[in-house]
Amino acid sequence: SQKIEQNSEALNIQEGKTATLTCNYTNYSPAYLQWYRQDPGRGPVFLLLIRENEKEKRKERLKVTFDTTLKQSLFHITASQPADSATYLCALLTDNAGNMLTFGGGTRLMVKP
Amino acid sequence: GAVVSQHPSWVICKSGTSVKIECRSLDFQATTMFWYRQFPKQSLMLMATSNEGSKATYEQGVEKDKFLINHASLTLSTLTVTSAHPEDSSFYICSARGGDSFYEQYFGPGTRLTVT
Repeated sequence: SQKIEQNSEALNIQEGKTATLTCNYTNYSPAYLQWYRQDPGRGPVFLLLIRENEKEKRKERLKVTFDTTLKQSLFHITASQPADSATYLCALLTDNAGNMLTFGGGTRLMVKP
Repeated sequence: GAVVSQHPSWVICKSGTSVKIECRSLDFQATTMFWYRQFPKQSLMLMATSNEGSKATYEQGVEKDKFLINHASLTLSTLTVTSAHPEDSSFYICSARGGDSFYEQYFGPGTRLTVT
């Protein structure tokens, strides 16, 4: 079965720096990979979706890369702000019907002013 | 657009009682809704998938007689935790798919269930 690994340790960075979060998966490359933001006690909020034939996707200060050879996605937040502090989850579609999302454990990002 | 609500946001119940959680898509029709459970400092685990008018499909290890799911309309799904026990205490989150993108799931704010 697909295993998704995210760094469970919190990432602490200084405001203004670029945060880079990693998502590795172990099995087949999914057609889509998604990134979500989750604040404490709240449901996840969709951020970006990247397809297997896309190397990179950008949205404002966010950038996602998808390397099917390395079986890895990187999630970047440029010019980070304290308001970016949250847990970031990567998720992969793990069934052919596009129904089942399997989530990684998430990485907590702390941006210090 | 693509807003999903859940009610209640938190609930405390006694062991042995049943609790119903509602999930609504407010501004779109959700062809498929999903129910997840999240324990503290862990990721979301899919419990079941439901399509409007059909029986829910439960993930392995999830008791369908304990977690009753009803998806009676394109905007409403309910999860009923029957005969709740303290080990059922968790954060329950629903998501809905419908909107403009087939693969995007829109999540509700979650329901914190505490069984005493």
